Amino acid sequence: AQSVTQPDIHITVSEGASLELRCNYSYGATPYLFWYVQSPGQGLQLLLKYFSGDTLVQGIKGFEAEFKRSQSSFNLRKPSVHWSDAAEYFCAVAAGSTGFQKLVFGTGTRLLVSP
Amino acid sequence: GAGVSQSPRYKVAKRGQDVALRCDPISGHVSLFWYQQALGQGPEFLTYFQNEAQLDKSGLPSDRFFAERPEGSVSTLKIQRTQQEDSAVYLCASSLVPRGPGYNEQFFGPGTRLTVL
Repeated sequence: AQSVTQPDIHITVSEGASLELRCNYSYGATPYLFWYVQSPGQGLQLLLKYFSGDTLVQGIKGFEAEFKRSQSSFNLRKPSVHWSDAAEYFCAVAAGSTGFQKLVFGTGTRLLVSP
Repeated sequence: GAGVSQSPRYKVAKRGQDVALRCDPISGHVSLFWYQQALGQGPEFLTYFQNEAQLDKSGLPSDRFFAERPEGSVSTLKIQRTQQEDSAVYLCASSLVPRGPGYNEQFFGPGTRLTVL
């Protein structure tokens, strides 16, 4: 079965420092991978997605992620974190047959930004 | 146009009460998903509609959970005889009609936070 693992429950980063959030997936075929951000009381906002092609994908708000098939990973990165980036981040994989693909999410990583 | 909307945003129910949660998808979106997000967890799939047809309900946790989309637009998730373990945020997402291989992006609503006392 498809699954996503986010090994870090909490991460604290100083403002201006770089960030990397880890994500590992389990999926038999070429996966469709996503990173979402959720601020308190808000819905899920899509940061970026990987379908195929270039393994380094750019997203909104200065985020990027790199797909590494050999490591089954899709880590999220940002070179310089801003206080407004404090939120919960979810990695997800689209699972299912043609035409209907539900999202399977990891348990999330809460990002705290210190001054 | 408008995004996915959900109502109510917050719902408090006493254990044993029935609740109904509403989702208004983006106009023209054929696919509609419900997810449940427990505290400190990622969202988990509940059920999927394509137009008015409920094609997958494998994620519904018990027969107390029921979802419908009678006219292929607005959907309602109903929970009967609520229990404390039903406390969660219920997220609705919609997407365009599926066309062959590939993926149609899901757009999420803000969710309904259900608290069962």
